[in-house]
Amino acid sequence: RKEVEQDPGPFNVPEGATVAFNCTYSNSASQSFFWYRQDCRKEPKLLMSVYSSGNEDGRFTAQLNRASQYISLLIRDSKLSDSATYLCVVNRDTGRRALTFGSGTRLQVQP
Amino acid sequence: DARVTQTPRHKVTEMGQEVTMRCQPILGHNTVFWYRQTMMQGLELLAYFRNRAPLDDSGMPKDRFSAEMPDATLATLKIQPSEPRDSAVYFCASGLVLNREAHEQYFGPGTRLTVT
Repeated sequence: RKEVEQDPGPFNVPEGATVAFNCTYSNSASQSFFWYRQDCRKEPKLLMSVYSSGNEDGRFTAQLNRASQYISLLIRDSKLSDSATYLCVVNRDTGRRALTFGSGTRLQVQP
Repeated sequence: DARVTQTPRHKVTEMGQEVTMRCQPILGHNTVFWYRQTMMQGLELLAYFRNRAPLDDSGMPKDRFSAEMPDATLATLKIQPSEPRDSAVYFCASGLVLNREAHEQYFGPGTRLTVT
């Protein structure tokens, strides 16, 4: 089983739709969680951190469920510019192999 | 606007040649990461440094890859000799870890390596 698993997609949604991605992680010792966005042929960029209490940034909402070991990202009112690959990142700062990226979920927002 | 810089942005080389990639982390960040990304494998962690000390390089083929931080403003990743299977995009990222709590990582634009 991979340390971080994501549905690769693609998710094809119309503009204005709400879309949700989930990510599961295998190591219960994981401490920090993030969502990154990667555009085609570009570097990953931090979208948002994920806090235990859940957090929201504009149209984006991130949730963490430690008991079930999954993280979610909700995008409301999708824009064409949201089309990208969304990477789930789990970080356990306990030494070796501390940083793990999911393989990403591709989102395509259509007009 | 602080950012991670990487050079070169693109590199095409022949099999057997040495390749050196450089990274300048964001000033004040104490952790530097090297990643490799391919379509097949996704983003793989190769090595990372904290306060210039190597913490983990288990993701790196030791026989041909080496990573160093000669000073706080420069990280290098070297491949010698290079092979076609090393063709990938190599990203450097930097971040801040305080009291064992990891903060966000910021990525450089990457070095697109092609080995023929």
